[in-house]
This record gives sequence, structure tokens and C-alpha cells, in this order.
Amino acid sequence: DADVTQTPRNRITKTGKRIMLECSQTKGHDRMYWYRQDPGLGLRLIYYSFDVKDINKGEISDGYSVSRQAQAKFSLSLESAIPNQTALYFCATSDGYDLAGGKKNEQFFGPGTRLTVL
Amino acid sequence: DQQVKQNSPSLSVQEGRISILNCDYTNSMFDYFLWYKKYPAEGPTFLISISSIKDKNEDGRFTVFLNKSAKHLSLHIVPSQPGDSAVYFCAASVRLGSSNTGKLIFGQGTTLQVKP
Repeated sequence: DADVTQTPRNRITKTGKRIMLECSQTKGHDRMYWYRQDPGLGLRLIYYSFDVKDINKGEISDGYSVSRQAQAKFSLSLESAIPNQTALYFCATSDGYDLAGGKKNEQFFGPGTRLTVL
Repeated sequence: DQQVKQNSPSLSVQEGRISILNCDYTNSMFDYFLWYKKYPAEGPTFLISISSIKDKNEDGRFTVFLNKSAKHLSLHIVPSQPGDSAVYFCAASVRLGSSNTGKLIFGQGTTLQVKP
């Protein structure tokens, strides 16, 4: 079974609709992230969460919100979808960044959700 | 402002030859670098990494070189195999405050095609 799962894998929606993308992990990591990938731009950070009580904005959070329902679940919402939010969305987890302790901030990614906003 | 740049969108090499993927960065405070590989319809997977205190890290066919003075790193794949065909992302790790949490800043990616 995959360690990081995302649902749905594909979604087509219309402008103005509310959309929720869900992410679940079985790795036991506290840190979770949402990225979007666009051609020629790489992966850009939308939101990240250190633990259930801590949520932070990334580089491109406008138009998005998140919810950390549990250590294992981190959802991304588009309150009113617009066409330029058409992209690949990835969830990722990490067990931390402590080089002395051997934690290298290696992030483990889900398979992605392809979202199309018409 | 793109802090991590991969200036070659694509690279094509013959099977058995060397593939060299390049990455440049602007922030001298980055202290750890990672390479990720991504196949279509899958999420990126970790490939190899290097600490800023080293200049080389090797893992099988994959070697990453870091030139701190030039703020440049490269990934060498020798010998290249058709199964290596994928998108490769360079990423720099940034610590967030004084916590043991970091974020990754990714380059744009380079699509490698290895021809049989």
C-alpha cells in the first residue's frame, strides 16, 4: 500500500466551484505539505503544516485553504476555483530537518491530483 | 525570483552514455540539496542528496557534485539507461526558523530522455 495517498487522482470542475483535495499518509510524519506543479515552473509550495495545530502559508497560498484534520490527513481546498488553478497538485510528508540527527528533510510525495478548471 | 534554476528543460542521451543534469542556486544559506525523479502519473521520488559541507556524493550510477563557490550542482548518471527517462528536479532545503522543520525550493525540472 502506498504511504501517501491522494484523492481524487483526476478532477474536472467549473469556474466558481468549491473543490477539496485530500491527502492521507501512513508514514507517521508530523510535517505535511501541498505543492502545485505547472509546466516550466517546477513545484511550488502552497501550504505546510508542522503538526495538527500548526499551519503555514507557502509561496502561493492565495485562493487556497487547508485543513489538518489529524496527523495523517491534510486537505487542500479551492473555495472558488478559477482556470489558472489548473495544475498537478502534490501532497508530501517529512519527518523533519535535523542534519545532526540524520533527518534531511527528505519529502515523500503522493501520486498527485490532476485538476482541470474549465 | 527563482532561487533554484534548472536552465535546460530537456536532455537527450544515448543509452550507456553519461547524462549530466545541472542546477544553479542563488542563496548561499542553503545547506542541503536533493534530487528528485518523477515519472508520468507518479509523484516525485527522492534520488540522491548532498550536504553543503561536501562536494560529492555517490550512489551507484548516480553522483551529485556541488560547487559552492559557483552555487552550482550537477547530477551525473553513468551509464544512462532507458529506465532513467523521467523528469529530474533539483531542490534546496531551507530550515524554517529555529525549528527542525524545513521546506524545499524546487527548480523547474529537466526532462531526460535516454534512447536505446
